[in-house]
Order: sequence, then C-alpha cells, then structure tokens
Amino acid sequence: QSALTQPASVSGSPGQSITISCTGTGNDVGGYNYVSWYQQYPGKAPKLMIYEVSNRPSGVPDRFFGSKSGNTASLTISGLQAEDEADYYCSSYTKSGTREFGGGTKLTVL
Amino acid sequence: QVQLQESGPGLVKPSGTLSLTCAVSGDSITGSHWWSWVRQAPGKGLEWIGEIYHIGSTNYNPSLKSRLTISVDKSKNQFSLKVTSVTAADTAVYYCSRVGITGSYQDYWGQGTLVTVSS
Repeated sequence: QSALTQPASVSGSPGQSITISCTGTGNDVGGYNYVSWYQQYPGKAPKLMIYEVSNRPSGVPDRFFGSKSGNTASLTISGLQAEDEADYYCSSYTKSGTREFGGGTKLTVL
Repeated sequence: QVQLQESGPGLVKPSGTLSLTCAVSGDSITGSHWWSWVRQAPGKGLEWIGEIYHIGSTNYNPSLKSRLTISVDKSKNQFSLKVTSVTAADTAVYYCSRVGITGSYQDYWGQGTLVTVSS
C-alpha cells in the first residue's frame, strides 16, 4: 500500500481537462512544497513532468499544471491529447528525509 | 546530456544478493546531486529504494533498510545497489536516477533493468 493516495484511473476525451489527485499527510505532501509528478509509458522509464508542486521542466507542455492545497497535490492536464495516455505518479519528500510515491494513476484518453 | 545506464545480473536466486551498477555520463557523480534507486514490480507502482551523495551519505527506504547498501565508485563515475536475502517480492525493474539540484525530485532516469528472483 502506497503512502500517497492516487485514484487508480481517470479518463477524458481529447481536448478536455482532467485532474489527478495525490493525498498524503502533514509529514509529506502537506509539510513541504516538494511534490513532483512523473509520466510513464508502458515499458519505459518515468519522465519528470512537474517538480516542487508547480514547476515544469524545460520541454514539458504548459498543458500540464501542478498545484497543492493542504495535504493534497493535484496534476491537471488541459487540452487532453492522445499522447497523454500513460501512467502518472506523484512523489513527495517526507519529514523522515525519505521519498515516497503514490500508487499511480492510469490516464485513458477516450 | 546526462545519461544513466543500469547493469547487472537479470536472475538472482532466492536468499542471494542482488547487485546492480549505474554508470553515469554527462555529469560528475562528485557534483552537487544525489543519486537514487527506484524499483517497479511487474504491474505495480514505483517504489523508492534509497539514495546516496558522493561523500557517502545515504538515505534508505525504512522497509528495505536492513537489506540495502548503496555505494559510490568515484573513479568509474558510477554508483551501485546491493540487496541481500532476496525473495520473489524483490523481482522488479530497477531504475537508477539523478536527484534534482534542490533535492526534491528525480530529473534523469536510466532505462531500467529487470531483475528476477527465482531458483
């Protein structure tokens, strides 16, 4: 059982927006602005999409938006495209000086 | 461009030791970054294993800590993972990655290597 809770799956049609939540506690998500999000295609390595809650690395489309409220972080993808279909994982630094991942969310583009 | 490449045996016997190496190119392992290991069991999510800084400082997943050793070889610009007393539950794709400069995310990843624990 993962320390961070994500929905198992979300879906949306092309052009729509979807949001994936990532719920932790005050010892991780709520305690630090150190939440990151990763995209993973089947059989491939994860790719960093968002770091420190809302920052996008160079090359990541501005359709990807990260935010946080209390103990819950969120990844919003607007203008959904077929290529966005993948697994998404959140991660957080913790009070113990370790890191943890969410269980992952499978995004289906209908 | 930073590149990481995992290597090691793809098959380990139960109760044995899993040993993997991550070769780093495009960056110095003695720079300002931490270096980490993450694994993914078949059909499952990502699990953080641990990380190391080139001076030898380490952070480990508490659930694995008693069986883990992560070390650095500065002369070869690589770092390594050892997991002892392995069981089938340790079967996974193992990824090495670089921790971002602020220490809060992993920005570069290796392609991953599958390690199967079986007799």
